[in-house]
Amino acid sequence: ETGVTQTPRHLVMGMTNKKSLKCEQHLGHNAMYWYKQSAKKPLELMFVYSLEERVENNSVPSRFSPECPNSSHLFLHLHTLQPEDSALYLCASSQVAVNEQFFGPGTRLTVL
Amino acid sequence: KQEVTQIPAALSVPEGENLVLNCSFTDSAIYNLQWLRQDPGKGLTSLLLIQSSQREQTSGRLNASLDKSSGRSTLYIAASQPGDSATYLCAVRGYILTGGGNKLTFGTGTQLKVEL
Repeated sequence: ETGVTQTPRHLVMGMTNKKSLKCEQHLGHNAMYWYKQSAKKPLELMFVYSLEERVENNSVPSRFSPECPNSSHLFLHLHTLQPEDSALYLCASSQVAVNEQFFGPGTRLTVL
Repeated sequence: KQEVTQIPAALSVPEGENLVLNCSFTDSAIYNLQWLRQDPGKGLTSLLLIQSSQREQTSGRLNASLDKSSGRSTLYIAASQPGDSATYLCAVRGYILTGGGNKLTFGTGTQLKVEL
């Protein structure tokens, strides 16, 4: 595997389910990001991890819970989501928090 | 609060035409600006990164310029091809740090279609 990978690519879940999104980067980077892309809206930054520590949380609801166990892996744990949370969730990584970011293919999430 | 606007929202051109995509941002205190393309099902691909001290960057048929003082950037695509069809995103990175990270603010993109 090369670059940034995300699994699953598609996810359909009910409002009472608990699921997790996974991101893995194979670029040796030390910063990772979660973004949300809703229809007709700009990408919104959700979380930033630098050196495995969370350095930014853009007022994201607590039903989204990130986890960064090491510099190569990033998770987004989901529980009791709302239909308006349906979106494309993108993961990115960079060498340091200020440099060029490289993106994964995204997970298309649908909440019923 | 930084806001990024991209014009036009959508563009359809015949193959071979040269074209310009525009990006404007409200806060000129940026660290750098990145142009990316988004293909359905394939995520985002970085095209060009311009540091705040630079005026332009070139990669193949792509040329991006930056006028930080006026809050503008343009992406010039020469001799467009059907494979250039995608959504093009502009993103600016600010200086403001929050515990060590700089925030990337995206525009809504320009959806480009190059027709045969």
